[in-house]
Amino acid sequence: AQSVTQLDSQVPVFEEAPVELRCNYSSSVSVYLFWYVQYPNQGLQLLLKYLSGSTLVKGINGFEAEFNKSQTSFHLRKPSVHISDTAEYFCAVSGAQGAQKLVFGQGTRLTINP
Amino acid sequence: EAGVAQSPRYKIIEKRQSVAFWCNPISGHATLYWYQQILGQGPKLLIQFQNNGVVDDSQLPKDRFSAERLKGVDSTLKIQPAKLEDSAVYLCASSLEGTSRAAFFGQGTRLTVV
Repeated sequence: AQSVTQLDSQVPVFEEAPVELRCNYSSSVSVYLFWYVQYPNQGLQLLLKYLSGSTLVKGINGFEAEFNKSQTSFHLRKPSVHISDTAEYFCAVSGAQGAQKLVFGQGTRLTINP
Repeated sequence: EAGVAQSPRYKIIEKRQSVAFWCNPISGHATLYWYQQILGQGPKLLIQFQNNGVVDDSQLPKDRFSAERLKGVDSTLKIQPAKLEDSAVYLCASSLEGTSRAAFFGQGTRLTVV
C-alpha cells in the first residue's frame, strides 16, 4: 500500500516570490507520482506527473517537480507565483503495477498575497 | 473533448434521507472512479469500475453506499440513509485502460447533510 504526506497544510507567499510545496511518499513498490490543483468549487486538475525517465518533471502553469527516490519525495516548485495560483494542491501516488489506485495527501493551501 | 460531467453540483438533504449522484465519463474511458473528499482532506477512493465491473470497493461503506455502472458508461452513486458525516464533495473521475496515469476529474457534487 502507498501513503502520502504533505508536510505543510498552508503556505502563504507574496506574489512573484518562489514557492515549494513539499510531498513525501511511502511505498514498497515502484510508484507513479502526481500533483493536482483544485480551485474553489472545482474538481481536480492534473498539474504534472512522474511515470519514469527524467526525475525533473515540468507541468502546466510554470510548475515543476523533482522525483527523489532516495528521499521518497516529490516536491512541487514554481520560481515566481501569481495571484491566480491561489488554490489547494494535492500530491498523489499510485503503484506502477496492478490496479494503480490513486492515494492522495491531505492537501496544501497556497495563498498568494499581493 | 468533453470532460467528466457530474450532477447535481450541490445537494442539501436531511439525515436519514437518500440521495443519488450521476456521472458521465469521458467518451471511451473504460475506468471510472468515485472519490469522497471531506472538507480539509484529500480525496479518498470509494469505488473503481472497469467497464461495468467493480475493480475495488474496499473503502465503500456498503451498508449505506451503493454504486452501479450500467452498460459500462454512466454511473450513479447512492447513499441511503445519509448521515451527517457523509457531508463531503463526491468526485467522479475517468481514465483509459484502467490506469490512474491519465485520470480526469469532474467538478464534483457537494453534499451537505443537515
